Amino acid sequence: SAVISQKPSRDICQRGTSLTIQCQVDSQVTMMFWYRQQPGQSLTLIATANQGSEATYESGFVIDKFPISRPNLTFSTLTVSNMSPEDSSIYLCSVGWGTGELFFGEGSRLTVL
Amino acid sequence: AQSVAQPEDQVNVAEGNPLTVKCTYSVSGNPYLFWYVQYPNRGLQFLLKYITGDNLVKGSYGFEAEFNKSQTSFHLKKPSALVSDSALYFCAVRDKGSGGSYIPTFGRGTSLIVHP
Repeated sequence: SAVISQKPSRDICQRGTSLTIQCQVDSQVTMMFWYRQQPGQSLTLIATANQGSEATYESGFVIDKFPISRPNLTFSTLTVSNMSPEDSSIYLCSVGWGTGELFFGEGSRLTVL
Repeated sequence: AQSVAQPEDQVNVAEGNPLTVKCTYSVSGNPYLFWYVQYPNRGLQFLLKYITGDNLVKGSYGFEAEFNKSQTSFHLKKPSALVSDSALYFCAVRDKGSGGSYIPTFGRGTSLIVHP
């Protein structure tokens, strides 16, 4: 397993601004993912964060809106750009080693006014 | 393609009674199957997985799950429920085949409510 630290844990933001969420893992990981979750709902994969290269985005998500960085094997950031109320959600960082199971951060709860 | 279904939005059970949370899956090859639990305002926690071997898999907190290939099911079970088991449970599947994605597909989640 791994200890995954996500910051901020929650934030309230104004429409049109951007917020960067950080994910720090206490060990090197093969895979890092970013998910979005409406409270009490299922997870939607935003993208796979690739170390040293551009992230791989799922259908419906684009780099201009959700730029992702992964400079090394233990750290990644997700930025939510030009926010609108529809972006209000929980954003989850997730990591894995190819053994199958994933481990999740505690999530970043974002509210956009 | 891979998919997973959790047919129940909510399961209610009395404390001390056995519980079952249902999950069925669809993959083109052989599956990796997972259960996760999410407590309020927390991230998901891995409970257990089936990769191969014994169809009955034991996991954390006294939970177990039974892989049934003929019924393409992977139901989560616990012999005696606790109020503290109340949470949101997610089933996930990943195709083990060479063409499969390393990314699991999650079900929509089942809310388990254990009544005192």
